[in-house]
Amino acid sequence: SAVISQKPSRDICQRGTSLTIQCQVDSQVTMMFWYRQQPGQSLTLIATANQGSEATYESGFVIDKFPISRPNLTFSTLTVSNMSPEDSSIYLCSANTQGKNDGYTFGSGTRLTVV
Amino acid sequence: AQSVTQLGSHVSVSEGALVLLRCNYSSSVPPYLFWYVQYPNQGLQLLLKYTSAATLVKGINGFEAEFKKSETSFHLTKPSAHMSDAAEYFCAVSNSGGYQKVTFGTGTKLQVIP
Repeated sequence: SAVISQKPSRDICQRGTSLTIQCQVDSQVTMMFWYRQQPGQSLTLIATANQGSEATYESGFVIDKFPISRPNLTFSTLTVSNMSPEDSSIYLCSANTQGKNDGYTFGSGTRLTVV
Repeated sequence: AQSVTQLGSHVSVSEGALVLLRCNYSSSVPPYLFWYVQYPNQGLQLLLKYTSAATLVKGINGFEAEFKKSETSFHLTKPSAHMSDAAEYFCAVSNSGGYQKVTFGTGTKLQVIP
């Protein structure tokens, strides 16, 4: 199965700054997904990223706070902007690499701490 | 709308004992169901999936799950727990057909006691 490389694996950032997280897939995928996992909680979908179009955001998430790029079929970035301590979470990217809705592969996650 | 409910945020079993992690789903259309495992400081790994074929699904590491429509359940089992099974397990659901977003349960942390 495909492999997703996500970086950075962890970072400690000052409040008010921005961090860009990158995900690289070793094969072409149509859709990539970005999730947030707050401490001790489950995964919450932030947005779905298609190549060549704007990302689709879930309720409670906005483009100004979490801009996403999807320049090609193997790469995506998520930026966490103007960070506050409440943004401290694990951020994960995911892609469907086995065909339609047939199981999703995840990156290893980015553990973000905002101080 | 679709959702999954995982009963028990923490489950403890003895090494060698049966592992049973419970998941009930809600979906207005035939669902696709998944179990994922997350080891500490790692991403999620797909254990197994139900996509409307056989109702008994076998996955990796000796895990299996049975889709029971009458009970709207998709419980995860393993006959004999191993220390390396200690991790957090997430049940997830999506609508069948085409690319669909996945909704995750709240997770069950499995502890294996030697």
